[in-house]
Amino acid sequence: DGGITQSPKYLFRKEGQNVTLSCEQNLNHDAMYWYRQDPGQGLRLIYYSQIVNDFQKGDIAEGYSVSREKKESFPLTVTSAQKNPTAFYLCASNRDRRQGFNEQFFGPGTRLTVL
Amino acid sequence: AQSVTQPDIHITVSEGASLELRCNYSYGATPYLFWYVQSPGQGLQLLLKYFSGDTLVQGIKGFEAEFKRSQSSFNLRKPSVHWSDAAEYFCAVGRLGAGSYQLTFGKGTKLSVIP
Repeated sequence: DGGITQSPKYLFRKEGQNVTLSCEQNLNHDAMYWYRQDPGQGLRLIYYSQIVNDFQKGDIAEGYSVSREKKESFPLTVTSAQKNPTAFYLCASNRDRRQGFNEQFFGPGTRLTVL
Repeated sequence: AQSVTQPDIHITVSEGASLELRCNYSYGATPYLFWYVQSPGQGLQLLLKYFSGDTLVQGIKGFEAEFKRSQSSFNLRKPSVHWSDAAEYFCAVGRLGAGSYQLTFGKGTKLSVIP
């Protein structure tokens, strides 16, 4: 079945450490997104990518970095510069915009806790 | 800039009762509108979407929503709520920005169902 996988489901990090969250999709989608979710805050866009080797900052990119070396993969690194990284992180994807507007499909999420 | 307001943070209904979740948006052009549902610790699942045409749209799990341009609203309804509908619901508006389609989410409405 096609879908988006995120790993790990739970992640614990010590302060000062970088950590990378995995996102893989087999939907053959061109665009991929990373969101951060905090209680009562909805979803906020961190980074997005329309195509391999290209990505753009979203609304809250500070302290995060991404790469897009393969169409299927869009890993997110939470760096030590991110002051409050404890949150639920969601990855999403959708078809290329040239095919018309379409919905985003979401992965199951990764809960990151900084100890 | 576009924005989405979900006025109700938390709603409690009895099983079998009707439900309406409110969503108001601010967007200059014709909006692309979505309702997503999220169970605790899970990703988001699309309930329904409105792109154009009939302003009353049907979705999965017996949900429907009505687009009212004059009121800038896209309220979600269900005639008879089931205990399994307890979850958090997010309204979102889509726009074309920086070459890709992006979503702006409301802060969500948590639904509790009393047996």
